[in-house]
Order: sequence, then C-alpha cells, then structure tokens
Amino acid sequence: TQLLEQSPQFLSIQEGENLTVYCNSSSVFSSLQWYRQEPGEGPVLLVTVVTGGEVKKLKRLTFQFGDARKDSSLHITAAQPGDTGLYLCAGDGSGNTGKLIFGQGTTLQVKP
Amino acid sequence: SQTIHQWPATLVQPVGSPLSLECTVEGTSNPNLYWYRQAAGRGLQLLFYSVGIGQISSEVPQNLSASRPQDRQFILSSKKLLLSDSGFYLCAWNQKGEAFFGQGTRLTVV
Repeated sequence: TQLLEQSPQFLSIQEGENLTVYCNSSSVFSSLQWYRQEPGEGPVLLVTVVTGGEVKKLKRLTFQFGDARKDSSLHITAAQPGDTGLYLCAGDGSGNTGKLIFGQGTTLQVKP
Repeated sequence: SQTIHQWPATLVQPVGSPLSLECTVEGTSNPNLYWYRQAAGRGLQLLFYSVGIGQISSEVPQNLSASRPQDRQFILSSKKLLLSDSGFYLCAWNQKGEAFFGQGTRLTVV
C-alpha cells in the first residue's frame, strides 16, 4: 500500500518567516503534486513534479522532488497571511486510473 | 475550458434519510471521475472512481454508493445515512494525472 507522510501537521508562524513542508513515502511515484485548500472549498493544484531532483518555483514557493521520486518538499519564503491554508501533497502511482494518494495535510497559519 | 460543478454546497440530513450528491463536468469527454471524503483539516480519502459510463470502482467498504449514468455526471448516494457519513465530500476529474476539484459538499448528519 502506497502512503504519503506529510509533516508537520500544523504550523503557525509570523509574517515574513520561512517554512518547509515535507512529504515522504517509501514508494516511488510517477509524479507528485501539491495542492492548497481554503476552508469550505476544493483543493487547487499548485504544481506537479515529475522528474527526480526537479525543482520548480512559483513566486515565493519552491517545490522539490526527491532524486528517487519518493519524497517532495514545499518551501515558502517570507510567508504572508494570504498563504494561510491547508497544503496537501498527492502522488500518482496508479497508472492510467488517475487515482491519487493524498498526504494528511499541513495546516499553515501565517499571523500578521 | 473544463469546469466541474458540484451541489449542494451544504446539506443537513437526519440519520436514516437518503442522500444524493451530484457532480457534472463540462468541457471534456470521457473523463476519469472521483469522489473523495475529507475529515476536517485532513487529507482526502478516495471513495469511488469511474473511468466510464456505468463503470464504478469502490475503494473502501462503506454505506455509500456511486453511479455514472452519463459521461460527465457522477452521483454519490446512500439509502440510509449514518452519523459517521458526516464530512466534506469532493468530486474531482483527472487530466494527465492532475486532479481538479469541485467546490465540495459539507454534509452533516444529525
């Protein structure tokens, strides 16, 4: 059974601080994705990483896929209150069914 | 562009009552469709997925069922709701391994 372990589960920081969220597995994934979700809404895709060692940047967000394609990280630089939300990693290891396995999520609160 | 619609946004139902949540997708044909359930502040649990009309795969044993009567319509149902069915239900479709979600339905069983 493929599992994704996400850490930390909760994170409360001050505006301007940096943070990193981790997503780890013992399984290899063909791709990993990061989503951000606000209360009462569906998750919204931020990025997909597909190549081992890949690094993608989205403004102040940096995403990295591990060399072995078993883990990923999300780093936010100079966090802002607008970054507050639930961050979810998800892995696609299912072939053509498109079934995604989700981590437990990281709730981020950025205080002004 | 593709869009996904899910309704209702919130629902309060008594124990033992039936349930029907509907999800439709526009702008694509023959999509893979999914129903997920999410506990508060947590990850998503896959309940059902469908790769075509009438084709339903159940991921976990439960009190719910799913149907796909049309190519772009996916329905989540129950004949008799349990308290434990309360949660946030999300419909999604998948394109090239990336999931796109509806707005979700907050179901409270009382």
